[in-house]
Parts: sequence; C-alpha cells; structure tokens
Amino acid sequence: EPEVTQTPSHQVTQMGQEVILRCVPISNHLYFYWYRQILGQKVEFLVSFYNNEISEKSEIFDDQFSVERPDGSNFTLKIRSTKLEDSAMYFCASSQGDVAGVGELFFGEGSRLTVL
Amino acid sequence: GQNIDQPTEMTATEGAIVQINCTYQTSGFNGLFWYQQHAGEAPTFLSYNVLDGLEEKGRFSSFLSRSKGYSYLLLKELQMKDSASYLCAVLYGNNRLAFGKGNQVVVIP
Repeated sequence: EPEVTQTPSHQVTQMGQEVILRCVPISNHLYFYWYRQILGQKVEFLVSFYNNEISEKSEIFDDQFSVERPDGSNFTLKIRSTKLEDSAMYFCASSQGDVAGVGELFFGEGSRLTVL
Repeated sequence: GQNIDQPTEMTATEGAIVQINCTYQTSGFNGLFWYQQHAGEAPTFLSYNVLDGLEEKGRFSSFLSRSKGYSYLLLKELQMKDSASYLCAVLYGNNRLAFGKGNQVVVIP
C-alpha cells in the first residue's frame, strides 16, 4: 500500500541551527502538508502546498519556516534557526486532491525534532 | 479560533463497545475526520463524515450532527490493539484540519 515516508525519524540539534525535514508524499498525490505535534499536545496545521506554492499557512508558520518541492518526489520543511519550542513531532501528509473533495488525508510516520 | 473538545481518557474491556464523543465550534466546516494514533506513530485515517448521520465501516462507525456540532466514534468488539488515542479533526477550510487533543482509550482484558 502506498505511504508517505519521512526522514529522519529523529533529529537532535542545537538551538539556532538550521534543520531540514524530508518527506516523500504518495506518488499520485498533488497536495502536501506539514503538521506538528508538541509532546502531549494536539496535532497542529502548519502549511499546505499545491502546484509548487504555499496555498495556506497557519500563524505558527512564521518566517523561520519554509517549504520546498526540490524535485518530483521530495517535499521539505526547513526551520532556519531552531528554538527550544520547535521541539515536536513533525508530520508530513498528502492528498490526491483538496481534502474537502477527496475526503482523505494520509500522514507519514513523523520526524521527531529535539532542540537542545 | 477553532475549538474541538474530546474527553481525555477512557478504559474499556476487550469485546465491549465504546463511544468516543467530540464537540466542535469552528469558523468553517467542510467535514469531520476520525484518526487513530498509537503512541509515537502517525495518525491513521478511520473515517470522514460530511453529512449528518451514521457511517459504518466494519467495527468502526462514526456519527455526525452538524446542527449540534457533535460527532462520535463507535468502536465495537474491542480488541487489545485498539488501545490508542482517537483524534477528532474538523476540516474548516478546503485543506486545513483542526484537531482535538485526542481521547486515550485503554483496553483491558
């Protein structure tokens, strides 16, 4: 069964360092997303991406965050200068069409980011 | 803002039926998802309701009442592997989900 894959599964970094989290969405999907979940908290929307541009972003997704689809398969989240409060599980997700239309959204296994 | 409320934890016996409730107040509504999440893992899709009523899928059923801002997930014939957090999520734009904190279900023998 096709799945969303993410690397790394766990990354530890020092405060102020740049981090890139990578995702390979399901191959025929056109919409891509990043969500995050701080330990013990709810899953939160960060950004949606379609047709090589951001379609929506939340107030969490400030200037230190950026997303990119560098080639035909990868979708990345970059955090420019990490802060302690960026420590969380970051989930990539994808859907074949917009979620309201297809009624499905598939998540990857997550990348746990620990900022020291 | 988006407000999704779920009870935090419940315990049930193997073989039993459990109902997990979710109430919501959101700035828009395009559907409601239920996901299962085991600790440290990705949320796994269970169901999607757009219209009022009950959707049945094997041992899992999900109900929606849009006028009441209410949904529930019904788990029948509980198995030990059903021990997990169950997340209610409202689609309030075309592509943005707002999640509740999740209801931790513990299944005991």
